[in-house]
Amino acid sequence: EAEVAQSPRYKITEKSQAVAFWCDPISGHATLYWYRQILGQGPELLVQFQDESVVDDSQLPKDRFSAERLKGVDSTLKIQPAELGDSAMYLCASSFQGGTSYNEQFFGPGTRLTVL
Amino acid sequence: AQSVTQLGSHVSVSEGALVLLRCNYSSSVPPYLFWYVQYPNQGLQLLLKYTTGATLVKGINGFEAEFKKSETSFHLTKPSAHMSDAAEYFCAVSDNNNDMRFGAGTRLTVKP
Repeated sequence: EAEVAQSPRYKITEKSQAVAFWCDPISGHATLYWYRQILGQGPELLVQFQDESVVDDSQLPKDRFSAERLKGVDSTLKIQPAELGDSAMYLCASSFQGGTSYNEQFFGPGTRLTVL
Repeated sequence: AQSVTQLGSHVSVSEGALVLLRCNYSSSVPPYLFWYVQYPNQGLQLLLKYTTGATLVKGINGFEAEFKKSETSFHLTKPSAHMSDAAEYFCAVSDNNNDMRFGAGTRLTVKP
């Protein structure tokens, strides 16, 4: 069964360091999402890609966060420098952009980031 | 803008008892509604979804939910709780542009 892959599963870093997360969506899924889930809260969208283009990054803290999907397949989310408040679960999801009006999002297992 | 309110951050039931998790939504367009389950340190798994058609939706693991437009609700139920149902549950609403908004979640505890 096709799944969204994410790595690493866990990351511990110190404040002011750089971190990067990787996501490989389900093959054929044109739309890719990065969410941040703070402990005890629901996921919040950080950035949405359609192929290699950013569709929505209105909630991405652009002073320290960046995201890319250069070839329209896998994606990398980077934080530099990391802050204590960035400790969270980072979830990647993908969906197939087909002809229907709604396209289900499939989630990866997430990367748990702890900033010390 | 869309939004979701989940009533009750924690729900505790006995094994075999009815599970009821409440969700109310706000949307300016006909909504798509979802329930996801999340186990510790894992991603989200779709339980069920409402897009169009029948308002009573059946999902995996014996869960179901009913879309009530007049009440703007999409409550999740299961007739008999099992220990393995203990997890965090999230209600979500989406529009035609796949802009999905999640509730804050409800942690379900099942007592033996």
